[in-house]
Amino acid sequence: DIQLTQSPFSLSASVGDRVTITCRASQNIDNYLNWYQQKPGRAPKLLIYAASSLQSGVPSRFRGSGSGTEFTLTISRLQPEDLATYYCQKSYNVPYTFGQGTKLEIK
Amino acid sequence: EVQLVQSGAEVKKPGESLRISCRVSGYSFINYWIGWVRQMPGKGLEWMGIVYPGDSDGRYSPSFQGQVTMSVDRSINTAYLQWRSLQASDTAMYYCARQYCGGGSCVLEFWGQGTSVTVSS
Repeated sequence: DIQLTQSPFSLSASVGDRVTITCRASQNIDNYLNWYQQKPGRAPKLLIYAASSLQSGVPSRFRGSGSGTEFTLTISRLQPEDLATYYCQKSYNVPYTFGQGTKLEIK
Repeated sequence: EVQLVQSGAEVKKPGESLRISCRVSGYSFINYWIGWVRQMPGKGLEWMGIVYPGDSDGRYSPSFQGQVTMSVDRSINTAYLQWRSLQASDTAMYYCARQYCGGGSCVLEFWGQGTSVTVSS
């Protein structure tokens, strides 16, 4: 099965900062990569699909990029409400595995 | 409005059976796959599998194949996740979600609120 590895495992940043999270696939998955946000005690929420397409209603400060085996989620101008854990997920083939998550804390 | 409403929290003993539910509304149940995701306490998301309500076709993660069963009842727009014999390691939050596939990409677009399952003697 194709594995997804996220980095960093956790990070701390200040309001207004630019934050980048990386997701690496063990094999080429073209652009079949999604990003989700999970706030504490809540169900996950879809942010980005097909590597770089912004889900409707998601603020434009969230941006996805990449293809093949390396992908990034960038949050520009970090906001307090962005406190959450972020997960990548592949949809290239079943199983649609998630990465292990990146916990984002606000300083 | 698309909604997925899951059944309430469960506390069970090892060896017991369990079925949790995910009732959907606001769209045609038979036209979208339903996915199940496990989240063990303090851990990340694990993709368990998907089931297509139109024909009950199921696709399981190898990690969960044979451990759980996904099913649907089209008459009441409800998907189920079932265990025959629970273990303590099944203690987790379980989410259902509607899967949308477009342009070759599939996403879990709408989520239920989660069902907490605790297995303890």
